[in-house]
Amino acid sequence: AQSVSQHNHHVILSEAASLELGCNYSYGGTVNLFWYVQYPGQHLQLLLKYFSGDPLVKGIKGFEAEFIKSKFSFNLRKPSVQWSDTAEYFCAVMSPTGANNLFFGTGTRLTVIP
Amino acid sequence: NAGVMQNPRHLVRRRGQEARLRCSPMKGHSHVYWYRQLPEEGLKFMVYLQKENIIDESGMPKERFSAEFPKEGPSILRIQQVVRGDSAAYFCASSPLDRANYGYTFGSGTRLTVV
Repeated sequence: AQSVSQHNHHVILSEAASLELGCNYSYGGTVNLFWYVQYPGQHLQLLLKYFSGDPLVKGIKGFEAEFIKSKFSFNLRKPSVQWSDTAEYFCAVMSPTGANNLFFGTGTRLTVIP
Repeated sequence: NAGVMQNPRHLVRRRGQEARLRCSPMKGHSHVYWYRQLPEEGLKFMVYLQKENIIDESGMPKERFSAEFPKEGPSILRIQQVVRGDSAAYFCASSPLDRANYGYTFGSGTRLTVV
């Protein structure tokens, strides 16, 4: 069975600080990987996704993530956060050849202090 | 092109009542998924449906919960005899046939409060 671990429960940063949110998954086969963001009171929006090719994926709003297959990781990064990045961030994994359901981590709450 | 539409946005029910949550997928999407988000927790998969078929309901509680996606109309998640522990945000997502390469599009959710 697939599982997704997000190590940081709550991260607090000042504006302009750099961000890295950890995500590890457990699944031995090919996976598609996603990061979603949920702004307060809103629905999940797709930040970026990885299917194949360049392991460094660029998404919206200056976010990027790097897939490291040997570490089963897909960490999310942003060089300089803004107050408007305050939100909850979810990592998700899907096996394209398996049941094809999207499995989520428990999320990381990011608070950016102006 | 409207996104995934869920209604109502907020639903308050007394213990023992029934809750009906509706989800209209994006145009062209044939797959619907329901997730539940409990306070301080991530999203938990509940059920995956295609038109008139339940494909995977491994995440659904065995009792009181049911889901359908009829040939016409929205998908419905139905919770009978609600209890306080059912209070949560329920999100619906949809995808096209090629879901592995497309990912899911989520609705705004229905926040159910059981009093």
